[in-house]
Amino acid sequence: QVQLVESGGGVVQPGRSLRLSCAASGFTFSSFGMHWVRQAPGKGLEWVAVISYDGSNKYYADSVKGRFTISRDNSNNTLYLQMNSLRAEDTAVYYCAKEGTGYDLGGDFDYWGQGTLVTVSS
Amino acid sequence: EIVLTQSPDFQSVTPKEKVTITCRASQSIGRSLHWYQQKPDQSPKLLIKYASQSFSGVPSRFSGSGSGTHFTLTINSLEPEDAATYYCHQSSRFPGVTFGGGTKVEIK
Repeated sequence: QVQLVESGGGVVQPGRSLRLSCAASGFTFSSFGMHWVRQAPGKGLEWVAVISYDGSNKYYADSVKGRFTISRDNSNNTLYLQMNSLRAEDTAVYYCAKEGTGYDLGGDFDYWGQGTLVTVSS
Repeated sequence: EIVLTQSPDFQSVTPKEKVTITCRASQSIGRSLHWYQQKPDQSPKLLIKYASQSFSGVPSRFSGSGSGTHFTLTINSLEPEDAATYYCHQSSRFPGVTFGGGTKVEIK
């Protein structure tokens, strides 16, 4: 079965960096686009970034553009989110999510990980 | 950016009652509208994709309809385990992905 397991969250000071990972299993990782979606405490869902199946296309929300970088290692079935210049408003649970259709972007998110909490605080 | 407005924000419902949640888009998005269920302290789960297609394993009491700017998620005969927050999500203006603000369904 599809499994997505995030890691790397924690407490970090404003302005510092953090790298999140998402380990995937149960499907052909190299065939699917992958997303990061975040949820601030008690708030709704906010899309963060997406990467195509082969890593050739990447897109970001305006709120993180220039500070966050999405990447993937298809040989190790792992998705990453490098977060630099972190701000208090980046505090959230970060989920990785799988595109529903292979080799495509812009569809549903059919599986989500359990999330990892990032807290930006001095 | 396409704004998705869900209504109501909150609904308290008795078991076996029918629940209807609406999602309105600020521009036409065809049928590129998806619905998710998020239970407390859990990650979201896909219920309905492309307005009306049920995702694998989702109980048949969940259904979706609509196109353009007006969409509906219906839960027929609500079960106690359906207590959750429900979100709509549009993928029409990719990469401008957006979510609705959520509708919390409470069981009376």
